[in-house]
Amino acid sequence: EAGVVQSPRYKIIEKKQPVAFWCNPISGHNTLYWYLQNLGQGPELLIRYENEEAVDDSQLPKDRFSAERLKGVDSTLKIQPAELGDSAVYLCASSLGEGQHNEQFFGPGTRLTVL
Amino acid sequence: GNSVTQMEGPVTLSEEAFLTINCTYTATGYPSLFWYVQYPGEGLQLLLKATKADDKGSNKGFEATYRKETTSFHLEKGSVQVSDSAVYFCALSYAGNNRKLIWGLGTSLAVNP
Repeated sequence: EAGVVQSPRYKIIEKKQPVAFWCNPISGHNTLYWYLQNLGQGPELLIRYENEEAVDDSQLPKDRFSAERLKGVDSTLKIQPAELGDSAVYLCASSLGEGQHNEQFFGPGTRLTVL
Repeated sequence: GNSVTQMEGPVTLSEEAFLTINCTYTATGYPSLFWYVQYPGEGLQLLLKATKADDKGSNKGFEATYRKETTSFHLEKGSVQVSDSAVYFCALSYAGNNRKLIWGLGTSLAVNP
């Protein structure tokens, strides 16, 4: 079974440029998460989807970040414009169904460097 | 509020040494507890979990017991290998906070041959 797929794996851009990350969750997983992970820290949730609905986007900086999951499968996270402080690893995860015990499966992440 | 505190790293051990990484938590209600591992250059993987008090999670020789009385979920392994070198994250979730995973800061483990 294929895991969570993310692309690109690495991205280097100049500040004020736009950037987009793509995630394809595990087949059948209706819950999708985007996290930000800074070096030496744990992941921070940006947004959680249940199917195509964003049910928790309270930590998403909406002035520059946006996300979509139009058909309830794959998802795109966008930053426009990027700032130096956005340099981090962006992780996508998915899980099956609801309930606090559900394991989240993570993709390899996209490492963003903003120059 | 809800939080997870784990021992600071880096931890450096020789192969076959005993490993303990401490994790304590603060949470209302009855959270589920997790240990995730992140190998160099890879994404996070669930290592083990426990969903109620006194449960023991185990995987790949690692164990952790959900101790409600001490609000702890310490990770242990009797004999570490070089391949265990990674960053280990303790985390909790519970329904009352929309099932968000609350993460510790991670503990880096380096095992030398």
